[in-house]
Amino acid sequence: DIQMTQSPSSLSASVGDRVTITCRASQSISTYLNWYQQKPGKAPKLLIYGASSLQSGVPSRFSGSGSGTDFTLTISSLQPEDFATYYCQQSYSSPPITFGQGTRLDI
Amino acid sequence: QVQLQESGPGLVKPSETLSLTCTVSGGSISSYYWTWIRQPPGKGLEWIGYIYYSGSTKYNPSLKSRITISVDTSKNEFSLNLTSVTAADTAVYYCARGSGNYFSWGQGTLVTVSS
Repeated sequence: DIQMTQSPSSLSASVGDRVTITCRASQSISTYLNWYQQKPGKAPKLLIYGASSLQSGVPSRFSGSGSGTDFTLTISSLQPEDFATYYCQQSYSSPPITFGQGTRLDI
Repeated sequence: QVQLQESGPGLVKPSETLSLTCTVSGGSISSYYWTWIRQPPGKGLEWIGYIYYSGSTKYNPSLKSRITISVDTSKNEFSLNLTSVTAADTAVYYCARGSGNYFSWGQGTLVTVSS
């Protein structure tokens, strides 16, 4: 299985901050990397697919980059609605598809 | 826009079979992959497996011996059966459309394994 490791596991930030979350794969996954946002009691929401493509309807303050084993999700200017948990997920090799452990973003 | 809705018992006894159905509305189940994902309370996401509308499947090896995913195109729904459940199977179960990235999700249903 491909292991996905996110850092940090939790992060405190303020409205307006620039935030970066990293995700590392245990082997190369090219750009088969997706990012999701999950709020309490809700299903995850796809933000970024293919490492850097912004899903339709997602604000442009979200961006993704990386290839191979190292990836980042950046929020350029935090908004109140961005406080949530973020997950990376690889779709390079299945089964199984695997997720990172999550990064909780708090105020 | 396609919508997905999970349904099934919220409480299952240990050693019994967990059975859930995902009903797809607003679009046809044909020509897509359909996935089950679960999330234990307070924990991360675990991919269970997927099915193509034609019936071909891929399962998580860690669960493979206990899982069956099936599809009923006439009802526009697909289902999950998980046998011999234990407390470790307590989770919110989500259905989603896709095989590699998931734009459309159901709202999720909590299944608790307890006697």
